Amino acid sequence: ELKVEQNPLFLSMQEGKNYTIYCNYSTTSDRLYWYRQDPGKSLESLFVLLSNGAVKQEGRLMASLDTKARLSTLHITAAVHDLSATYFCAVVSRGGADGLTFGKGTHLIIQP
Amino acid sequence: SQTIHQWPATLVQPVGSPLSLECTVEGTSNPNLYWYRQAAGRGLQLLFYSVGIGQISSEVPQNLSASRPQDRQFILSSKKLLLSDSGFYLCAWSADSYQPQHFGDGTRLSIL
Repeated sequence: ELKVEQNPLFLSMQEGKNYTIYCNYSTTSDRLYWYRQDPGKSLESLFVLLSNGAVKQEGRLMASLDTKARLSTLHITAAVHDLSATYFCAVVSRGGADGLTFGKGTHLIIQP
Repeated sequence: SQTIHQWPATLVQPVGSPLSLECTVEGTSNPNLYWYRQAAGRGLQLLFYSVGIGQISSEVPQNLSASRPQDRQFILSSKKLLLSDSGFYLCAWSADSYQPQHFGDGTRLSIL
């Protein structure tokens, strides 16, 4: 059974600081996704990581994937208040169904 | 461009009543379609997925069912709702297995 663990589950940080969210998964996968969810809203796709060593960047967010370690990171650089949200990583097991297995999410609060 | 529509946005139903949630996608053909539920304490959970008309795969045994009567239409149903069916129901689509899944705005279902 594929399991996805994120940490931390809750993070409060100040604007201007850097931080990293970690996502570990339990079985081989060749597809990892990061999503953002604002309170009461749906999920917004941030990144798709499809190969070992993949790195994607958008603004102050950068995601990477290490398939050998079964680890993805989401790095936040010089955080701003607008990045406050819940961030989910999601994985599809290799050769498995197309549905996503989500981590529990990281609730990120960025304070001025 | 592609869009995904879910309705209703909010629904309050008594225990034992039937349910029908509808999801439609525009601007693409033969999408993969998915139903997820987000509930307190249970995270985001895949319920059903479909790769074509009439093709439904269930991930979690429950009193819910799904149907895909048309290429871009996905319906989630129940004959008798339980209290445990409360949650935020999200429909999603993707172009293929390696593309990100794009989520609708969701239906918030409360069971009384």
